Amino acid sequence: DTGVSQNPRHKITKRGQNVTFRCDPISEHNRLYWYRQTLGQGPEFLTYFQNEAQLEKSRLLSDRFSAERPKGSFSTLEIQRTEQGDSAMYLCASSWARVVSGELFFGEGSRLTVL
Amino acid sequence: GEDVEQSLFLSVREGDSSVINCTYTDSSSTYLYWYKQEPGAGLQLLTYIFSNMDMKQDQRLTVLLNKKDKHLSLRIADTQTGDSAIYFCAAGSYGGSQGNLIFGKGTKLSVKP
Repeated sequence: DTGVSQNPRHKITKRGQNVTFRCDPISEHNRLYWYRQTLGQGPEFLTYFQNEAQLEKSRLLSDRFSAERPKGSFSTLEIQRTEQGDSAMYLCASSWARVVSGELFFGEGSRLTVL
Repeated sequence: GEDVEQSLFLSVREGDSSVINCTYTDSSSTYLYWYKQEPGAGLQLLTYIFSNMDMKQDQRLTVLLNKKDKHLSLRIADTQTGDSAIYFCAAGSYGGSQGNLIFGKGTKLSVKP
C-alpha cells in the first residue's frame, strides 16, 4: 500500500469558483478524516467518515463545503463559491477504527490558493 | 472544548537533547500524540501515549505525561539536523462516534550544526 493519496496536490482558483479534492485512504482503513491547516496553525478537524457514513462535522464546515464517501473507499471534499479565506492546506487522514490507539495516517495534503 | 497549547519555537545545537512541551485542557483525553511535519509534507506520527501511562520511550524519543498537570513533553536525544521540522502535539478521546484529534499550533524545531 502506498499510503494516503490526495489529488490534486495544489489548486489555484479564482474567487467564486468551485473546487473538488479527492482522497484515497489506506485500503484497509474504514475511517477517513478531513482537516484544514492554515499557515502557522495546527490541523483543524473538519469532518470524518466511518465507512460511507459521515459521523461528525465541525462548525468550520460551512454550507459551501460538502464531503462524500459514497462507497466507503475514496472521499471527495468540494468547496463551492470559494473565498480567499478558504486558502489553506486540506489534509486527509485515515485510520482503522478497531485499532485502540486510533492513530491517524495523513496524506501530503492538497493546497488551495484562492485569488 | 479541548485546547492544546505549545511553545512555537525551539532552537538547539546538533547532538543536544530537545524538549518540546505541550499542555492540554480536557482531562478526559485518552490518547496523546506527537506528529512531525517537514516542509511541504503531511504529518507523520512519531509516537503516542495512553493517558494511564507516565512515560514511553522509543529509541531517541521519550514522552513524559503528567496527567495531574495535563502536561506532555517530547524529548529527542542526540538531536540531528534531520530532526528540524514542526512538531505537533494532539489529544484525542475515543469512544462513541467521536473520532477527531485536537492539534496544537506546532513547535518549530531548528537544529544548528
